[in-house]
Amino acid sequence: QSALTQPASVSGSPGQSITISCTGTSSDVGGYNYVSWYQQHPGKAPKLMIYDVSNRPSGVSNRFSGSKSGNTASLTISGLQAEDEADYYCSSYTSSISVVFGGGTKLTVL
Amino acid sequence: EVQLVESGGGLVQPGGSLRLSCAASGFTFSSYAMSWVRQAPGKGLEWVSAISGSGGSTYYADSVKGRFTISRDNSKNTLYLQMNSLRAEDTAVYYCAKQGVGELPEDAFDIWGQGTMVTVSS
Repeated sequence: QSALTQPASVSGSPGQSITISCTGTSSDVGGYNYVSWYQQHPGKAPKLMIYDVSNRPSGVSNRFSGSKSGNTASLTISGLQAEDEADYYCSSYTSSISVVFGGGTKLTVL
Repeated sequence: EVQLVESGGGLVQPGGSLRLSCAASGFTFSSYAMSWVRQAPGKGLEWVSAISGSGGSTYYADSVKGRFTISRDNSKNTLYLQMNSLRAEDTAVYYCAKQGVGELPEDAFDIWGQGTMVTVSS
């Protein structure tokens, strides 16, 4: 199972919005609504930000939103804040009864 | 408080074995599927293995199939990963993570442990 494709890095200024893409295939992202997004700060465990494509867990800011079109999922962060600077990973359930992650995207808040 | 605490990591020689444990608290452990996810130094996340709440169904990434065995003891609220025939490329931080109530590992990882480091080197 090949990793999902994410941009290596994105950046934005405080208050701006950014979008991170996550491209897979019809066997994973395109075939299921089991796409999730994780935020990871250096030296810390990942934190769930979005599940089932577009749902936010309790306690996650509504500045984070998710969507999907075809084989590509997206995470949008609006009103960028300094604390949003982190690595972000997407993941998807696959037809092989497994889970695949994206390679990760480093978000820099300028 | 919902919590996962891993233990058992360390330095092991290539070809050696190690057993990781993950102690769960704050939720009905037996109701939820659990997974192991690893992260090599400076690299991304990689799903390793999953097990259903009952322990009756297990799933593995191709990279560890035949070498690693996932199991759980619901009476002790503990998840395990037995790792045999270890290779240098298995060096990583290993996280246990809680999933949903289904038999399949389809749900998101909503709770993560702090991780335990495994280093495979001579």
